[in-house]
Amino acid sequence: DAGVTQSPTHLIKTRGQHVTLRCSPISGHKSVSWYQQVLGQGPQFIFQYYEKEERGRGNFPDRFSARQFPNYSSELNVNALLLGDSALYLCASSLGIADQETQYFGPGTRLLVL
Amino acid sequence: GENVEQHPSTLSVQEGDSAVIKCTYSDSASNYFPWYKQELGKRPQLIIDIRSNVGEKKDQRIAVTLNKTAKHFSLHITETQPEDSAVYFCAASGPSGYSTLTFGKGTMLLVSP
Repeated sequence: DAGVTQSPTHLIKTRGQHVTLRCSPISGHKSVSWYQQVLGQGPQFIFQYYEKEERGRGNFPDRFSARQFPNYSSELNVNALLLGDSALYLCASSLGIADQETQYFGPGTRLLVL
Repeated sequence: GENVEQHPSTLSVQEGDSAVIKCTYSDSASNYFPWYKQELGKRPQLIIDIRSNVGEKKDQRIAVTLNKTAKHFSLHITETQPEDSAVYFCAASGPSGYSTLTFGKGTMLLVSP
């Protein structure tokens, strides 16, 4: 069974540009969550999607948006990139959204904004 | 919202020693507490988790304890090995019982041969 997959693995953008990151959950998992991990810190929650609907949002500006597709894959979009958006973006999948659900992380997309 | 504090930020031990990492959380509604290990450049990997109806859980050399009254939980690694060297993150489910996780800032564990 494949684990959580993410693409691309690395990305370099310049300030003001837009980026789209992609995530495919573990087969059978219906929930996808996005986290931002800045170097030296723990992952910080951005969004959670379940059954194509946003079920939770962290403290991030409106430049960040996401969506989930009928096959449960997900995209994270970031507009008007800032230098501070440079980070590892992690996707995690879980069966559902009940509390106590185990979340499994993908390898991440490392974004560098110049 | 939930806040998770993790200590120490770095921990150096000799091979064979035990290592203990401690976390506190703020939201009393949190009821799921996973621990992740992250090696350099790799994804966080779940190593053990504990749910609020349990006070302690063991898996070989790894154990986690939970004190809901005091709102703290700890990771114990016995007989440490060099391959245990990594950054360890604690997390708590939240806010308000949902499955999103709030992470601590991590503990860099270095096990010297």
